[in-house]
Amino acid sequence: QVQLVESGGGVVQPGRSLRLSCVASGFTFSNFAMHWVRQAPGKGLEWVAVITYDGSNKYYADSVKGRFSISRDNSKNTLFLQMNSLRVEDTAVYYCVRNYGSGSYRISAFWGQGTLVPVSS
Amino acid sequence: DIQMTQSPSSLSASVGDRVTITCQASKDIRRDLNWFQQKPGKAPQLLIYDASNLETGVPSRFSGSGSGTDFTFTISSLQAEDIATYYCQQYDNLPQTFGGGTRVEIK
Repeated sequence: QVQLVESGGGVVQPGRSLRLSCVASGFTFSNFAMHWVRQAPGKGLEWVAVITYDGSNKYYADSVKGRFSISRDNSKNTLFLQMNSLRVEDTAVYYCVRNYGSGSYRISAFWGQGTLVPVSS
Repeated sequence: DIQMTQSPSSLSASVGDRVTITCQASKDIRRDLNWFQQKPGKAPQLLIYDASNLETGVPSRFSGSGSGTDFTFTISSLQAEDIATYYCQQYDNLPQTFGGGTRVEIK
């Protein structure tokens, strides 16, 4: 069965960096685009970024553009989110989400359990 | 960016009631719309894709309709286990965007 397991969350000070990882199993990782979606405590869902199946194209929400970088290692079935210059407003649970396929971008039913990133001094 | 306006933001209904949530897109998104259910402390669960297609394993009391800019999500007979927050989400354009959510409670 499809599994997505995030890690790397934890308390970080404003201005610092953090890298999240998501290990995928149960499907051919290299065939699917992948997303990050986040949710601030008590708030709604916010799409963060998407990467194509081969890593050739990446797109970001304006709120993180220039600070966050999405990448993947298909040999290790792993998705990454490098978060730099973190702000208090980046505090959220970060979810790794599989795309529906390799073509158009459509968030699927497959989500990780999420990893919490509190940004606080 | 496409804005997704979801209403109401919360509702209270009795078990067995029909519940309807609406979602309006700021521009035409064809039928590129998901509906998610989220329970506290859990990841969202996909219920409906392509505006009206039921995801595998989702009970048939959940349904969706609409196209273009106006969409509706319906629970035909509310059950106690349906207590959750529901979100619409468009995937017609990047950045993909979510509605603000509708919290459904039991009266």
